[in-house]
Amino acid sequence: KAGVTQTPRYLIKTRGQQVTLSCSPISGHRSVSWYQQTPGQGLQFLFEYFSETQRNKGNFPGRFSGRQFSNSRSEMNVSTLELGDSALYLCASSSGQGAVELFFGEGSRLTVL
Amino acid sequence: AQRVTQPEKLLSVFKGAPVELKCNYSYSGSPELFWYVQYSRQRLQLLLRHISRESIKGFTADLNKGETSFHLKKPFAQEEDSAMYYCAPHGVYNNNDMRFGAGTRLTVKP
Repeated sequence: KAGVTQTPRYLIKTRGQQVTLSCSPISGHRSVSWYQQTPGQGLQFLFEYFSETQRNKGNFPGRFSGRQFSNSRSEMNVSTLELGDSALYLCASSSGQGAVELFFGEGSRLTVL
Repeated sequence: AQRVTQPEKLLSVFKGAPVELKCNYSYSGSPELFWYVQYSRQRLQLLLRHISRESIKGFTADLNKGETSFHLKKPFAQEEDSAMYYCAPHGVYNNNDMRFGAGTRLTVKP
């Protein structure tokens, strides 16, 4: 079956703009998690959605938000972009039932100029 | 607070040498423990999980609840093991709260 798909793969924005990233999970998966990956900080947890509800949230400012649709697809939004938001944003899907394997997408690489 | 520590950002060994990637965690309850790996130009993927007690690609991981550690080991490293490795405790009592360590970049030299 198809893996986790993230769009767009690459994007360049300027400070102050906002961006929306999309994630399509593996068919049947109801949980989608988002992570920010940077060389200095590694993988940092943003938030997790299950059946359209945010179940967990990491320590990111309110500029970072997300949502999940009834088909389990998810989007994350970053408003008022800062240079430090430049990163690879990874999406992972799972069944969301207990401690299960996460399946990752290839990521969306955001560059903020 | 939940915390995952991988003390080595970089680890370099020669082919055939043993390798150990360290992971220490501070978590409420008894989390499930995972190791994920990211090879060059590939997606982040599961390497192994404690509950399965398997050896994957020659790697094993020992859970030490007393020391709250979950170190990843391989007796004889291979060049193809060069990758980024992440330790990830999964908070069983906090639905799908999976935090990752900062990662260790392993380089296996010929």
